[in-house]
Amino acid sequence: GQNIDQPTEMTATEGAIVQINCTYQTSGFNGLFWYQQHAGEAPTFLSYNVLDGLEEKGRFSSFLSRSKGYSYLLLKELQMKDSASYLCAVREWIGDDKIIFGKGTRLHILP
Amino acid sequence: IAGITQAPTSQILAAGRRMTLRCTQDMRHNAMYWYRQDLGLGLRLIHYSNTAGTTGKGEVPDGYSVSRANTDDFPLTLASAVPSQTSVYFCASSQSTGGAGANVLTFGAGSRLTVL
Repeated sequence: GQNIDQPTEMTATEGAIVQINCTYQTSGFNGLFWYQQHAGEAPTFLSYNVLDGLEEKGRFSSFLSRSKGYSYLLLKELQMKDSASYLCAVREWIGDDKIIFGKGTRLHILP
Repeated sequence: IAGITQAPTSQILAAGRRMTLRCTQDMRHNAMYWYRQDLGLGLRLIHYSNTAGTTGKGEVPDGYSVSRANTDDFPLTLASAVPSQTSVYFCASSQSTGGAGANVLTFGAGSRLTVL
């Protein structure tokens, strides 16, 4: 099974930087995803890490440490449209392939 | 059709009724998933299928069943709906299974189900 933890809510200011942490426990780790979900919409893919280190995509970066069971999503130059929920998900391979989500972090951006 | 199509978009259902949520993808993805999303609980995996002809139980399978007769379709059935099954249901698919590939999930738009 899995245990994925991330903060429930965070608030940041437009133009600033915010880091959303995610910790996980699984016996068959095979990758970690970050998704963005605006209210009333389906989740959309942001990033994927399978090896340790930082992956950068424009204003968004994601970091993984497999030994610590830890990841973070870094959002730079925050914009109002970044107000959304951010979902950490772990891909688990134990005979079968499953993708399990954390409860999500709701990010509020203040002007 | 482009991507994943879910139907119905929204449904109100009396408790005890049978209901099937439909999910069809045209991307020839091997893996398909059903999640439910409830406020404060995030996305929870109900059932999944790594390839046509196989299915598996997720985190919250009770009260739900699925079938995967072909690559494209992955219906979710509630045999006898209960109010606790009121939720938004998302179907998702990914290109391949196993290995170290990205396996990014593509989601449908969701089906909002209310059981009274």
